[in-house]
Amino acid sequence: QKEVEQDPGPLSVPEGAIVSLNCTYSNSAFQYFMWYRQYSRKGPELLMYTYSSGNKEDGRFTAQVDKSSKYISLFIRDSQPSDSATYLCAMSGNTNAGKSTFGDGTTLTVKP
Amino acid sequence: ETGVTQTPRHLVMGMTNKKSLKCEQHLGHNAMYWYKQSAKKPLELMFVYSLEERVENNSVPSRFSPECPNSSHLFLHLHTLQPEDSALYLCASSQDTTSEQYFGPGTRLTVT
Repeated sequence: QKEVEQDPGPLSVPEGAIVSLNCTYSNSAFQYFMWYRQYSRKGPELLMYTYSSGNKEDGRFTAQVDKSSKYISLFIRDSQPSDSATYLCAMSGNTNAGKSTFGDGTTLTVKP
Repeated sequence: ETGVTQTPRHLVMGMTNKKSLKCEQHLGHNAMYWYKQSAKKPLELMFVYSLEERVENNSVPSRFSPECPNSSHLFLHLHTLQPEDSALYLCASSQDTTSEQYFGPGTRLTVT
């Protein structure tokens, strides 16, 4: 069993829809949770970073962590075609960025 | 140039060839990383360098040989690769190993 399982997708939604991207994990030592966005032919870029349980909002993006269920989500409100990308969840038990465990990624397409 | 650059962007090589991938960061960071990204698989950390010293080597076959001559440059020397080594190779850098990572665009490698 993988340490991090990510909804495989692909996901296709109309412009303006609310998108929910999800990951589950098995390692209860994970405390740092990240979402990366990767556009085609580009490297991943850090989108959201949260520590422990709770919600974090940044513009149209909300990251949610439920440590009791070992479940994290990224919500995108009012999705735009420019949000079309692959989204990777990643998590770590400490602040060592190089020790993150990544999900496989979910490819999202937002259609105009 | 700014950020993290990688050359070449695409590489096709035979199993008997020797080639090198180059990464350069213009961010003044002290840590650099090599990752392998294969289709439908999570990002795999290969090597971590901090202040030009290798601090992580995740059971990578010896046909991959990293080199970090200074804090701005990172190389991945390749020899006698296998077709299953075909993937996107991503370089990243961070201020230190606990900080946010910035990724380059990757080198798409195809081994024939």
